[in-house]
Amino acid sequence: GESVGLHLPTLSVQEGDNSIINCAYSNSASDYFIWYKQESGKGPQFIIDIRSNMDKRQGQRVTVLLNKTVKHLSLQIAATQPGVSAVYFCAETGGGSNYKLTFGKGTLLTVNP
Amino acid sequence: DTAVSQTPKYLVTQMGNDKSIKCEQNLGHDTMYWYKQDSKKFLKIMFSYNNKELIINETVPNRFSPKSPDKAHLNLHINSLELGDSAVYFCASSLSNQPQHFGDGTRLSIL
Repeated sequence: GESVGLHLPTLSVQEGDNSIINCAYSNSASDYFIWYKQESGKGPQFIIDIRSNMDKRQGQRVTVLLNKTVKHLSLQIAATQPGVSAVYFCAETGGGSNYKLTFGKGTLLTVNP
Repeated sequence: DTAVSQTPKYLVTQMGNDKSIKCEQNLGHDTMYWYKQDSKKFLKIMFSYNNKELIINETVPNRFSPKSPDKAHLNLHINSLELGDSAVYFCASSLSNQPQHFGDGTRLSIL
């Protein structure tokens, strides 16, 4: 069936470096994409979203890029700090339903001091 | 001031028992959800209610029964618990076309 997947299950970066987390999706009807961060023992926390009529959106120290041609989504975190170590999920919905979020597998981001 | 709150946070019980998990949101959202997260961190939607009406019911055993007494509450009752039900269950809420906000989860362990 349709799925959302991540290229890398783990990502280790040095403090201060930029991080890029990638996500591929397969549902061509997807029109709304969200990145979530999940810390240990917590629920997913919203980071940033993007709709299919855009290819780039910037937030506070984060940027999401959407390439609909190849069905690829990425999250860029600038000057990564230890506090952002967590599991990052991409999620998508669309095709007429904004309620049914399909989550990717998740990437564990570890920031080394 | 917790936005989406679930109780209990931890639930340890014997196989075959019946248990309930409660969820409440104070965000004024009209849609609430239940997700299951397995040991590999994979999150999958189970149910969704919009204005107290069931709108999403994924392939979930009928031992799982959601109940929404009002728009701010969505409870999950599980009958005849099985080993495979061990997971973290997340409640979430949203307004239409807006991101979902998640609770901190209920960790269910079946002995």
